[in-house]
Amino acid sequence: GAVVSQHPSWVICKSGTSVKIECRSLDFQATTMFWYRQFPKQSLMLMATSNEGSKATYEQGVEKDKFLINHASLTLSTLTVTSAHPEDSSFYICSAIQGADYNEQFFGPGTRLTVL
Amino acid sequence: QKEVEQNSGPLSVPEGAIASLNCTYSDRVSQSFFWYRQYSGKSPELIMSIYSNGDKEDGRFTAQLNKASQYVSLLIRDSQPSDSATYLCAVIRLTGGGNKLTFGTGTQLKVEL
Repeated sequence: GAVVSQHPSWVICKSGTSVKIECRSLDFQATTMFWYRQFPKQSLMLMATSNEGSKATYEQGVEKDKFLINHASLTLSTLTVTSAHPEDSSFYICSAIQGADYNEQFFGPGTRLTVL
Repeated sequence: QKEVEQNSGPLSVPEGAIASLNCTYSDRVSQSFFWYRQYSGKSPELIMSIYSNGDKEDGRFTAQLNKASQYVSLLIRDSQPSDSATYLCAVIRLTGGGNKLTFGTGTQLKVEL
């Protein structure tokens, strides 16, 4: 099956710093990738949809200047949390689809971000 | 009204019993429905997808869809302790911004020895 990786799997940073999370599709080309955030005991919330070569589409309430998304190639999307604060501590999960098959999303293993 | 609603649980069942998980959704035009299992600290993994009314069986799992009632369920037969996890119901919604996978808050299942 298709594999999606994320790096790093966990990161601890100081308040005010920026953190970059990578999402890669290892054995397929992903024209569309999605970024989700999950707080403890809550469900996954879609943050943004990332299309290769174009600007990401952010969900309502998600600050695009704070959560920078770049999808520069068909196998890599990055999420940069700028000026991170403790309230940004969460589990960040990416997923990817092949072509336009929204019925089959392949999820990455997630990145645990802790901001001190 | 939430877009996808689930009872948060926990739902406790004895080993070997049938676990029944339920989900309702608000967008009547949704066409694709999914059940994911999520272990603590891990990302979700797909268990079942269902697109047509009726039942769909895969091993110990059966998904049931009733579009008229906007209701999706998951039955787990012969529940095992390894089934203990949070089960997320998800629906693809058609929006102006494209297709979006929307998750419920999940039902925690505990299978007891």
